[in-house]
Amino acid sequence: GAVVSQHPSRVICKSGTSVKIECRSLDFQATTMFWYRQFPKKSLMLMATSNEGSKATYEQGVEKDKFLINHASLTLSTLTVTSAHPEDSSFYICSATPPRANNEQFFGPGTRLTVL
Amino acid sequence: DAKTTQPPSMDCAEGRAANLPCNHSTISGNEYVYWYRQIHSQGPQYIIHGLKNNETNEMASLIITEDRKSSTLILPHATLRDTAVYYCIVRVAPGKLIFGQGTELSVKP
Repeated sequence: GAVVSQHPSRVICKSGTSVKIECRSLDFQATTMFWYRQFPKKSLMLMATSNEGSKATYEQGVEKDKFLINHASLTLSTLTVTSAHPEDSSFYICSATPPRANNEQFFGPGTRLTVL
Repeated sequence: DAKTTQPPSMDCAEGRAANLPCNHSTISGNEYVYWYRQIHSQGPQYIIHGLKNNETNEMASLIITEDRKSSTLILPHATLRDTAVYYCIVRVAPGKLIFGQGTELSVKP
């Protein structure tokens, strides 16, 4: 099946710094990718839809200036958590659907962010 | 958006069939039902999806009621590696999945 990777797998940063998370589709091109976050013992929450070559679409309640999304190529989307605070600590997961994949969405392995 | 309701947890004996129910009573006629599972601290894994007809693949079977208001995911011979959280999702738009709370399935020896 199609492969979606994320980097880094885990990151620890100090409060007030910015952190960039990369999501790559390794063997297919994706005009659209999705970003989710997940708190411990909770379900995944869709944050935004990343669109190649245009602005991301954010879900209600998600601060676009806090979570910057860039989808500069057909295989790479980045999520930057700006001025991170402890409450931003979470598991961030991206996903994408390959062409002709019968609408099956492939998820990355996730990035564990801990803000001290 | 159509919402789904699943039991929070279930147990299953290893080697037996695991039947995971899902209610989606507000589903629209053109909305698909998807099932994913998530093993602890990993990204979700696609299992199966369907619209009206029952579906089967190498992982599982999906039984959708005639009125489409509920469905059941069947793992025919559960193994310890099937222990995970199983999510039943009604797809609201291409690629856009809204996750519910899921069912935590524990497969026991």
